[in-house]
Amino acid sequence: KAGVTQTPRYLIKTRGQQVTLSCSPISGHRSVSWYQQTPGQGLQFLFEYFSETQRNKGNFPGRFSGRQFSNSRSEMNVSTLELGDSALYLCASSLSAGNYGYTFGSGTRLTVV
Amino acid sequence: TQLLEQSPQFLSIQEGENLTVYCNSSSVFSSLQWYRQEPGEGPVLLVTVVTGGEVKKLKRLTFQFGDARKDSSLHITAAQPGDTGLYLCAGAQAAGNKLTFGGGTRVLVKP
Repeated sequence: KAGVTQTPRYLIKTRGQQVTLSCSPISGHRSVSWYQQTPGQGLQFLFEYFSETQRNKGNFPGRFSGRQFSNSRSEMNVSTLELGDSALYLCASSLSAGNYGYTFGSGTRLTVV
Repeated sequence: TQLLEQSPQFLSIQEGENLTVYCNSSSVFSSLQWYRQEPGEGPVLLVTVVTGGEVKKLKRLTFQFGDARKDSSLHITAAQPGDTGLYLCAGAQAAGNKLTFGGGTRVLVKP
């Protein structure tokens, strides 16, 4: 079966712009989580959605937001981009709670210039 | 704040040697997951350990969950160049819908 698909793979944006990233989970997976990965901070949790509801949120500013659609696809949005937002953004899906593991996508590499 | 400390940060060994990566926390986790990540890709799940004291083997990889469910280790026997990568441990809370990741251990196995 198809894995977790993230689009686009690479993105270059200018400071102050906004960006929307997309994630299609594995078919049947209803939980979608987003993580930010940087060399300095490692992998940090952004938020998690289940059945279109945000169940958990990490310690990121309000510029970071997300949503989940009825088909479980998810998007995350970052407004007013800052240089420090440059990172690999990873989406992960699981059937329900992720106690038994997640399947990650290949990520979107965002560069803010 | 739950933290996971991984050690060492970097390991460089020769093919055929053994290695161990440690993951420690002062917090209790409902499960501990190990992932391997290659450059330009997302992490790939290797194993999940749930029960305190649990030991799981995956070919040459042995994973152990501490009795108190606060720490874990990954041991690779007779490492091969294909084992090169970033190894990440991640703890799940009781609700299971958020992972706290360790800082990662970069492993380089030289032929």
